Amino acid sequence: KQEVTQIPAALSVPEGENLVLNCSFTDSAIYNLQWFRQDPGKGLTSLLLIQSSQREQTSGRLNASLDKSSGRSTLYIAASQPGDSATYLCAVRRPMVDDMRFGAGTRLTVKP
Amino acid sequence: GAGVSQSPSNKVTEKGKDVELRCDPISGHTALYWYRQRLGQGLEFLIYFQGNSAPDKSGLPSDRFSAERTGESVSTLTIQRTQQEDSAVYLCASSPGMARTSYEQYFGPGTRLTVT
Repeated sequence: KQEVTQIPAALSVPEGENLVLNCSFTDSAIYNLQWFRQDPGKGLTSLLLIQSSQREQTSGRLNASLDKSSGRSTLYIAASQPGDSATYLCAVRRPMVDDMRFGAGTRLTVKP
Repeated sequence: GAGVSQSPSNKVTEKGKDVELRCDPISGHTALYWYRQRLGQGLEFLIYFQGNSAPDKSGLPSDRFSAERTGESVSTLTIQRTQQEDSAVYLCASSPGMARTSYEQYFGPGTRLTVT
């Protein structure tokens, strides 16, 4: 059974800091891994999608890496801003199973 | 273009009543997914549709839950005889390709259900 874990559960940093969010999964047989952002009371916004054959994806100040063999992904946020404050979720898509398994999320607060 | 939309955005209902939640996927998306997010918890997969067909309903929490999709478009999630533990945000997502592929899922804003 695929389990997805995110560490830390919550993180508070001052504005301008670089930070790393961690995601681990127990079954390395995945189609892809996706990082989402969720603002309070809102739905999910996709940030980055990494296919199983890729090692990283970048979008602006965000960089996500994937190490499938060790079951890990990291989301790196450079030069954090207060607007980055949200809950960040990672999810893995499994082959031949029609769902995505989500972690419980990391709640990020960036203080001005 | 328009994204995934869900209605209502908020629903408060009394225990024992039936509720119907609606999802309008992105036009042309063949796959549609329903998830549930309880307060402080991660997303829990409920069911997916490929076209109008739901091949696997085992993710639905109980037989009070049902879902259908028509015209390869709108989907409704129905909860009968609601219980307080049904209180959650119900999220819908759609995907452009067949399920069991690596297509990205696009999420709607969710319906917040509160059962009193």
